[in-house]
Amino acid sequence: QKEVEQNSGPLSVPEGAIASLNCTYSDRGSQSFFWYRQYSGKSPELIMFIYSNGDKEDGRFTAQLNKASQYVSLLIRDSQPSDSATYLCAVRGRGSTLGRLYFGRGTQLTVWP
Amino acid sequence: DGGITQSPKYLFRKEGQNVTLSCEQNLNHDAMYWYRQDPGQGLRLIYYSQIVNDFQKGDIAEGYSVSREKKESFPLTVTSAQKNPTAFYLCASRADRDNQPQHFGDGTRLSIL
Repeated sequence: QKEVEQNSGPLSVPEGAIASLNCTYSDRGSQSFFWYRQYSGKSPELIMFIYSNGDKEDGRFTAQLNKASQYVSLLIRDSQPSDSATYLCAVRGRGSTLGRLYFGRGTQLTVWP
Repeated sequence: DGGITQSPKYLFRKEGQNVTLSCEQNLNHDAMYWYRQDPGQGLRLIYYSQIVNDFQKGDIAEGYSVSREKKESFPLTVTSAQKNPTAFYLCASRADRDNQPQHFGDGTRLSIL
């Protein structure tokens, strides 16, 4: 069973601050990583994906991947109250499980005005 | 509009009853997935299908059944053998090309009467 671990939080930051969400994974050979945002009572929506070591930026969001240390993180710059949600980290399987994702339990983020 | 449609949005099950949750997609995606989410928990994979007429068990398949007779449709039946079916059920699909992410429907909330 592949494991994906996230800090459960809740993480609370003031408006305008940087929110940092972290995720570690157990399968060293994992190649593809995804961040989803889930508002309360809603379904997850894709925020970002990353496959290569280093940083990937999209607007206020930056995904960081370090395969040697087996962690992936999501930074949210200039956090807004509308960013308040649960953020799910997902790792793609390999080999016979290539078609599936393994999800962490999510980190709840609250951005207060 | 292209997307993933889950129905109904809310469903109530009586003791000893089987119920079927619908998932339809018009994205021409090859792979489809069913997840269960309990309050404060991450997503747990029930079943997935990467091609018509074929599907694989996920981590919590007991008490559930699926079929994949058409590419567009992947219904989930919650059988009476599933003793604790109250949860939020999410259907997802993805194009079967390298590193394509999964996208989710709006979910079905199932409760016991």
